[in-house]
Amino acid sequence: GAGVSQSPSNKVTEKGKDVELRCDPISGHTALYWYRQSLGQGLEFLIYFQGNSAPDKSGLPSDRFSAERTGGSVSTLTIQRTQQEDSAVYLCASSLRGGEKLFFGSGTQLSVL
Amino acid sequence: GQQLNQSPQSMFIQEGEDVSMNCTSSSIFNTWLWYKQDPGEGPVLLIALYKAGELTSNGRLTAQFGITRKDSFLNISASIPSDVGIYFCAGLIQGAQKLVFGQGTRLTINP
Repeated sequence: GAGVSQSPSNKVTEKGKDVELRCDPISGHTALYWYRQSLGQGLEFLIYFQGNSAPDKSGLPSDRFSAERTGGSVSTLTIQRTQQEDSAVYLCASSLRGGEKLFFGSGTQLSVL
Repeated sequence: GQQLNQSPQSMFIQEGEDVSMNCTSSSIFNTWLWYKQDPGEGPVLLIALYKAGELTSNGRLTAQFGITRKDSFLNISASIPSDVGIYFCAGLIQGAQKLVFGQGTRLTINP
């Protein structure tokens, strides 16, 4: 596609449920990043993929968070047993290679009730 | 880890005024980027800087890569209502694979 695509754009879930967030990067971009943005706050790095490997997952807040990338393209961020503090906008970004300028998707607004 | 100090955190200005914001760090960066985020959207790249001392313009926006490679500023001239949003600086250290982001400057324009 022309840009980074994320789905769903909004997700409301109940505390304790699992959620999956999807990211379709720009075609040909080998690097993919997930960030979290709480209301009115900056960008919190979660995980970085180069191809299908994740050389840096240092930002994942707990073992309830996991991510995978398949075919060097689509990535899924999974949050298990969601908590209210997980409520935030989850942003995905891609770049041609690691260490270059990022192009962001519009994000998934996650609300945990 | 590396940190970027972005200031001011927020600005309240009148339409037509010029705006200036900056980012500083104790680390040396090889690339500086400036992004703008509109409500409900992801950040959009405004300007990319790759050389110390570089001054680059994009319409009413001008950004500079500091000569020490530890800072950068963004100026917006003659602000208009659509300039409202959050502006983020981001830096890349040589060899690093991920950007370091500032905390953002929230710009509000009074009509």
